[in-house]
Amino acid sequence: DQQVKQNSPSLSVQEGRISILNCDYTNSMFDYFLWYKKYPAEGPTFLISISSIKDKNEDGRFTVFLNKSAKHLSLHIVPSQPGDSAVYFCAASLYSGSARQLTFGSGTQLTVLP
Amino acid sequence: DTGVSQDPRHKITKRGQNVTFRCDPISEHNRLYWYRQTLGQGPEFLTYFQNEAQLEKSRLLSDRFSAERPKGSFSTLEIQRTEQGDSAMYLCAGGGGPYEQYFGPGTRLTVT
Repeated sequence: DQQVKQNSPSLSVQEGRISILNCDYTNSMFDYFLWYKKYPAEGPTFLISISSIKDKNEDGRFTVFLNKSAKHLSLHIVPSQPGDSAVYFCAASLYSGSARQLTFGSGTQLTVLP
Repeated sequence: DTGVSQDPRHKITKRGQNVTFRCDPISEHNRLYWYRQTLGQGPEFLTYFQNEAQLEKSRLLSDRFSAERPKGSFSTLEIQRTEQGDSAMYLCAGGGGPYEQYFGPGTRLTVT
């Protein structure tokens, strides 16, 4: 049972345009959401996060939007750059037992074309 | 660079052998997590330490797996009697607070 889904395995975008990566979740108990970027042969790198009490968080070229009623979040990258080409994972967090646990989606490979 | 290091970066072993991986978080990371990632999937939670105490274990962590964090600093993950299905990337993450987790580069295990 996948609680966090990224339905697009890949996305190609022209340099300078907007990249929109989507993520859906099923568990309404998730109360914190994160996006990670992963290059080959490296661990995931934290990008940006959002609490469930907000609907938008912005950090430079990266903006995360959260629609709680639709259980949907998205990451917008504007403008996209070739260096943004990587696999992007969304993750959802909830407090379970003694710790917060992250549940990851399966990732979206973003390719930014020069 | 998150400051989290893992060793070794790659490990090839024969089925049935034991392997041990090490993770060194930064000193501010009192929280430490282990994840496993297979091809085409996101990381899956294995276990969690707060300081030296192992507080959470996933059902994915079979009895062949054991993790320790002596003195609340570095951590080790041991897999006994490895199976081909154990082939994966093993990721360690540290965190000072309850939300963000900062990952190391991972150890890629190949069981032949």
